[in-house]
Amino acid sequence: DAGITQSPRHKVTETGTPVTLRCHQTENHRYMYWYRQDPGHGLRLIHYSYGVKDTDKGEVSDGYSVSRSKTEDFLLTLESATSSQTSVYFCAISESKQKETQYFGPGTRLLVL
Amino acid sequence: AQKITQTQPGMFVQEKEAVTLDCTYDTSDQSYGLFWYKQPSSGEMIFLIYQGSYDEQNATEGRYSLNFQKARKSANLVISASQLGDSAMYFCAMREGYNQGGKLIFGQGTELSVKP
Repeated sequence: DAGITQSPRHKVTETGTPVTLRCHQTENHRYMYWYRQDPGHGLRLIHYSYGVKDTDKGEVSDGYSVSRSKTEDFLLTLESATSSQTSVYFCAISESKQKETQYFGPGTRLLVL
Repeated sequence: AQKITQTQPGMFVQEKEAVTLDCTYDTSDQSYGLFWYKQPSSGEMIFLIYQGSYDEQNATEGRYSLNFQKARKSANLVISASQLGDSAMYFCAMREGYNQGGKLIFGQGTELSVKP
């Protein structure tokens, strides 16, 4: 199994508060991704990173920011959480953008009240 | 427009029988990749199989095979000899061309239930 951890695994927060989710990998993979999973939508890309300090937006990036100061860590921040951001968040890693496999972390369940 | 379509929200299969999960895709890229993931009730995403657009042979991984029909833009997952542990959500995903950062586009999933 790829070495990917996410923290926290579960979080309950209130509307309007900032939230940061962390993805940590031990594989030294260059590419890292944040997806959210909602019923009826499958997984949708929020942001991704193709190297330290190199990030780009995905399909559903509004209300989210990311940072990557080290190869192993990719942070997702909800600047001011809203109930529509209640979701399961998955981090994924890939050795290259053309690699056959993209490995996923265990997910973080976020509830915004 | 949907880029990945999984038309079967739910399916049932008898244990030890084979089952096909459908996936069609839409892209104008010549180079792309197709993935299948399994998500059991515990929630993790498990990579099953990959097919590259230039691969001439259908991908196989143990009991999983991918029936790739490029002209029809379909990438169906075939599970042979179903087991109770195969009960899960199955997602088809596509990685488009080289300049798209490797990001995956997912279908909405098919929930497979294996009956004893």
